[in-house]
Amino acid sequence: NAGVTQTPKFQVLKTGQSMTLQCAQDMNHEYMSWYRQDPGMGLRLIHYSVGAGITDQGEVPNGYNVSRSTTEDFPLRLLSAAPSQTSVYFCASSYGTIGNTIYFGEGSWLTVV
Amino acid sequence: AQKITQTQPGMFVQEKEAVTLDCTYDTSDQSYGLFWYKQPSSGEMIFLIYQGSYDEQNATEGRYSLNFQKARKSANLVISASQLGDSAMYFCAMREGAGNMLTFGGGTRLMVKP
Repeated sequence: NAGVTQTPKFQVLKTGQSMTLQCAQDMNHEYMSWYRQDPGMGLRLIHYSVGAGITDQGEVPNGYNVSRSTTEDFPLRLLSAAPSQTSVYFCASSYGTIGNTIYFGEGSWLTVV
Repeated sequence: AQKITQTQPGMFVQEKEAVTLDCTYDTSDQSYGLFWYKQPSSGEMIFLIYQGSYDEQNATEGRYSLNFQKARKSANLVISASQLGDSAMYFCAMREGAGNMLTFGGGTRLMVKP
């Protein structure tokens, strides 16, 4: 049971480049989401999905794109990387009912230079 | 207005003593959930404890307990018998309604002294 798997763990990008952070879960969870964590702060919601084919914006969606073609995968795309997107990114998943534990991936450290 | 407030940026506790980390929240929903996560220096988010808004008893998980005072909108984490390995950042988070969309507080850095 792999849980929530994020790749890559570390990435350095140049300003203007695009890339995709991958997130996969093997628990058949309906809900998946992406957060970013800036130094010294709590996590902030970027985008989330309540099931395959359904996505919505969170608190800080600008500069990011998501899609959910399968239950297992929820990739996060940076369209044109900016230094302000230097952060640690976390993917999370859970079942859709209240009270269940939310599982986090190990995080992806992204630096934009 | 902040939805989750953690007023203690940093705290020290002596090894083997108990410590309380404060968390207050703001919501108009009747159904919500409160989470505590630990984030060690390695960076991963470790789930500690969960309290649902309709739960009548305070949640407990081993050395962790949640002091839930609904009328005061507070959900403080109590760690009993602190260990050196408890040194980490601790985040309080709230989920409103169903799903897994969390709002996090700013965190408290706990340092356990030997």
